[in-house]
Amino acid sequence: DGGITQSPKYLFRKEGQNVTLSCEQNLNHDAMYWYRQDPGQGLRLIYYSQIVNDFQKGDIAEGYSVSREKKESFPLTVTSAQKNPTAFYLCASSIPGGGTSYGYTFGSGTRLTVV
Amino acid sequence: SQKIEQNSEALNIQEGKTATLTCNYTNYSPAYLQWYRQDPGRGPVFLLLIRENEKEKRKERLKVTFDTTLKQSLFHITASQPADSATYLCASNNAGNMLTFGGGTRLMVKP
Repeated sequence: DGGITQSPKYLFRKEGQNVTLSCEQNLNHDAMYWYRQDPGQGLRLIYYSQIVNDFQKGDIAEGYSVSREKKESFPLTVTSAQKNPTAFYLCASSIPGGGTSYGYTFGSGTRLTVV
Repeated sequence: SQKIEQNSEALNIQEGKTATLTCNYTNYSPAYLQWYRQDPGRGPVFLLLIRENEKEKRKERLKVTFDTTLKQSLFHITASQPADSATYLCASNNAGNMLTFGGGTRLMVKP
């Protein structure tokens, strides 16, 4: 079945440590997105990529980095510069301009906790 | 930037009744609005999209309206069931054609 796979489901980070969240899709979608969700708040856009080897900062990119070397993969690194990384992270994908006709497809999320 | 407001208080209704959830937007007039369902610990699942020139859209027991005068969308679930219990998210496109999401409204359907 086509879909988006996020791993790991749970991740614990020590202070000062960089961690990488994986996102893989087999939907042949060009566009991919990373959102952060905090309790009671809407999803906030961290980074997005419309095409391979290109990505753009979203509303809250500070302390995060991404790469898009393959169409299927869009990993997110949470760096030590992100001071409040504890949150639920969601990866999504869509066809180009997908939001105008179709919704986004989301993964199951990664819950990151600072210990 | 676009702002999407949804009632943060949970909506509790009895099975068989119609649930109505509200989404209000400010700052930017969107070309479309989307509704998603999110279960605890899971990613959102796309339900419906409605464009600014559409007054109403239906899908099985779901109905969405879009009122550009009130800057509001209503999401209805008719003949609600306990399995409909979840958080429902509203989203709209913003000036950069990305999606802006509301905080969601939790729906609890009691048998």
